[in-house]
Amino acid sequence: SYELTQPPSVSVSPGQTARITCSADALPKQYAYWYQQKPGQAPVLVIYKDSERPSGIPERFSGSSSGTTVTLTISGVQAEDEADYYCQSADSSGTYHVVFGGGTKLTVL
Amino acid sequence: QVQLVESGGGVVQPGRSLRLSCAASGFTFSSYGMHWVRQAPGKGLEWVAVIWYDGSNKYYADSVKGRFTISRDNSKNTLYLQMNSLRAEDTAVYYCVMDTALWGQGTLVTVSS
Repeated sequence: SYELTQPPSVSVSPGQTARITCSADALPKQYAYWYQQKPGQAPVLVIYKDSERPSGIPERFSGSSSGTTVTLTISGVQAEDEADYYCQSADSSGTYHVVFGGGTKLTVL
Repeated sequence: QVQLVESGGGVVQPGRSLRLSCAASGFTFSSYGMHWVRQAPGKGLEWVAVIWYDGSNKYYADSVKGRFTISRDNSKNTLYLQMNSLRAEDTAVYYCVMDTALWGQGTLVTVSS
């Protein structure tokens, strides 16, 4: 089955750049989506279709894709960015399935 | 105001059934595919099911196939999840999601004797 792999944790200091990767274990890869989830809250979409940013999401959030890996980059990290981040894609090679990565805890030191 | 509001969660015994509802407002519900996604306590996100905008296609995670049924009533702007033969491992917050973009606040389902 299709899997997405994320690092369990990433730590950065305020003002630095955080990069969170999400690797697919097979091709083809459909578009990737990224969600931010803070404790006790529902997830919020921060990147869609690999690199598009929804309205209302700060410009410091960006996404990119290369091969079977997508990356969420947060430039100039702020304390409020501390959260869990999940990537998501879909597998339509057989029966349609949506897949989430295991999540990455971003800690702002 | 664009929003999704889930209801129907609660405590249920193993083997019993429960139906979740998700009321949509502020957007054209009938134009969007809808998902259910769950999150067990302290765990990550797990996709449960999707239904096409017109109800023509439905797909399920292997973990719930044959036990859960997703449906929608576009005349009522409402999404449903019928959950049968519930197990302890189905305990989670269940989120209603509009086409990846908009999430409800979730409803907690606890399966316990």
